[in-house]
Amino acid sequence: GDSVTQMEGPVTLSEEAFLTINCTYTATGYPSLFWYVQYPGEGLQLLLKATKADDKGSNKGFEATYRKETTSFHLEKGSVQVSDSAVYFCALRRGNQFYFGTGTSLTVIP
Amino acid sequence: EAEVAQSPRYKITEKSQAVAFWCDPISGHATLYWYRQILGQGPELLVQFQDESVVDDSQLPKDRFSAERLKGVDSTLKIQPAELGDSAMYLCASSSSTPSATFGSGTRLTVV
Repeated sequence: GDSVTQMEGPVTLSEEAFLTINCTYTATGYPSLFWYVQYPGEGLQLLLKATKADDKGSNKGFEATYRKETTSFHLEKGSVQVSDSAVYFCALRRGNQFYFGTGTSLTVIP
Repeated sequence: EAEVAQSPRYKITEKSQAVAFWCDPISGHATLYWYRQILGQGPELLVQFQDESVVDDSQLPKDRFSAERLKGVDSTLKIQPAELGDSAMYLCASSSSTPSATFGSGTRLTVV
């Protein structure tokens, strides 16, 4: 069945460090891919999306490229800030079904 | 910006009591989802509605959980009786023809 696997956390980085959070997926057909972010005590907020192969989603300095050949959608940011501390979820949508990864907790220290 | 409304934000209930959560999706969104998120894990689908019809409730513990979306707009999720293991965040989301789903702020349930 469809599924998403993302790298285990927690991840701790110093401010201005480079961030990569790995995400790979298993799905039939051509799903849409997403990164959501969750701040403590809040719901999930859409961070970025890509709907077809080779699309690059970007928002707030974060980027991810839909790589069909490697079934990956890795999240990157060149310089993280303390305010980026949150839990990040990779997700896919096929039809009206969403599948989420287990989340990666990021802590950025000053 | 349109939002998914959920209430209450927090709920503490005693074991064996009944509890209900409410969700008002973004206007015009035909698909509504209820997810349960245990601390430290990703959201798990409980039930999915298309308009007023249930299209997936395979993971809903039907002996104690029920969900309805009578007019195809807002929705209620009920637990009766609540158990200690039901303590979690309950998230509602809605979507339309656009790829992404929009989530509400969730209801944090604590069963004591």
